[in-house]
Amino acid sequence: EVQLVESGGGLVQPGGSLRLSCAASGFAFRTYGFNWVRQAPGKGLEWLSYIGTSGSSIYYADSVKGRFTISRDNAKNSLYLQMNSLGAEDTAVYYCARGGGAHWGQGTLVTVSS
Amino acid sequence: DVVMTQSPLSLPVTLGQPASISCTSSQSLVHSDGNTYLRWFHQRPGQAPRRLIYKISNRDSGVPDRFSGSGSGTDFTLKIGRVEAEDVGVYYCMQGTHWPWTFGQGTKVEIK
Repeated sequence: EVQLVESGGGLVQPGGSLRLSCAASGFAFRTYGFNWVRQAPGKGLEWLSYIGTSGSSIYYADSVKGRFTISRDNAKNSLYLQMNSLGAEDTAVYYCARGGGAHWGQGTLVTVSS
Repeated sequence: DVVMTQSPLSLPVTLGQPASISCTSSQSLVHSDGNTYLRWFHQRPGQAPRRLIYKISNRDSGVPDRFSGSGSGTDFTLKIGRVEAEDVGVYYCMQGTHWPWTFGQGTKVEIK
């Protein structure tokens, strides 16, 4: 069974940093690209970033470019999102999703507040 | 960036009746490889999104055949043949042809 489990969310002060993780199991992790998608409270879905199988292809939404960094560790079957310079507008549930979105984790909540 | 525009944004439906959601992109979603990476997702309250349709009209595994996708170029439609109670929630179209990938605003489906 395909499983994606996000972790690392929590309360962070404005200007702070956080690193999210997504642990994958049940499939050949290294053969898939992955995405991070977020959803602010009561709002729609916002695609944030994609990383290809080897990590050499990486794309970002303008809203996070220069602040967020996506990475992966194929040996650990894990996906990461390093988030810096966080602001209130980054408060959201953050999801990891495999490839074209056929599988999603349950999300981890990030709250940016003083 | 490609703007995805859905209509309507709110859709009250009667159980057993059909429903249709439109999604229009600001530019063609035909990729250089010939595919059109238009996807539809369904999200129930408090749950992660679930993909229903990929490449315009291909249903994901386990998706009931009352869901169908159609369209081409810049205009796409998700149809629900006969709405069931479990179909309530928000539906999103998403394009995966051009970077950055982008979602529509979402269409909230509720039972009348």
